[in-house]
Amino acid sequence: IAGITQAPTSQILAAGRRMTLRCTQDMRHNAMYWYRQDLGLGLRLIHYSNTAGTTGKGEVPDGYSVSRANTDDFPLTLASAVPSQTSVYFCASSPQGETGELFFGEGSRLTVL
Amino acid sequence: GQNIDQPTEMTATEGAIVQINCTYQTSGFNGLFWYQQHAGEAPTFLSYNVLDGLEEKGRFSSFLSRSKGYSYLLLKELQMKDSASYLCAPADSNYQLIWGAGTKLIIKP
Repeated sequence: IAGITQAPTSQILAAGRRMTLRCTQDMRHNAMYWYRQDLGLGLRLIHYSNTAGTTGKGEVPDGYSVSRANTDDFPLTLASAVPSQTSVYFCASSPQGETGELFFGEGSRLTVL
Repeated sequence: GQNIDQPTEMTATEGAIVQINCTYQTSGFNGLFWYQQHAGEAPTFLSYNVLDGLEEKGRFSSFLSRSKGYSYLLLKELQMKDSASYLCAPADSNYQLIWGAGTKLIIKP
């Protein structure tokens, strides 16, 4: 079944540890995004990639990094996790980039202690 | 600054009609999206409006007034499965989506 998958689904992490959230899509979409969702707040864009080989910063990029080595994969790395990064993280992709419908992964719930 | 305003929570009765409003202020405008998000799940696309007027899609309709910075999502013949959060997201001049916090819709029998 075509779609976008994230891993892990859930993770508890000690502060200071490094963590990579994985995101893979098999729809050959050009654009991919990472969002975080916190209670009472809208989705906030962390980083995005309009096409393989390029990345850009979103609204809340500090403490996070991404890479886009190929079309399918868009991992998000927390170099040294802090408790304020406790959140639900959603990866999304879009066939048309800027004005296209977003297809979301199921989310990764991260708790930093 | 950029701002999205939608009610935090609404309650409606199964079989009824409900209208969820969204007002927005963005730097430029490139259309407005509505997404549905069930608790613990990912958002899913409902509608996209770029021109003024009403777009109808089955039981769901979405309206846009660009001059007023206003949109609404209309849900007809409500079903229990419509209990979810509804997210309003206009796109700004850079085509970045600005997300509202969402309206939690509770459907009662």
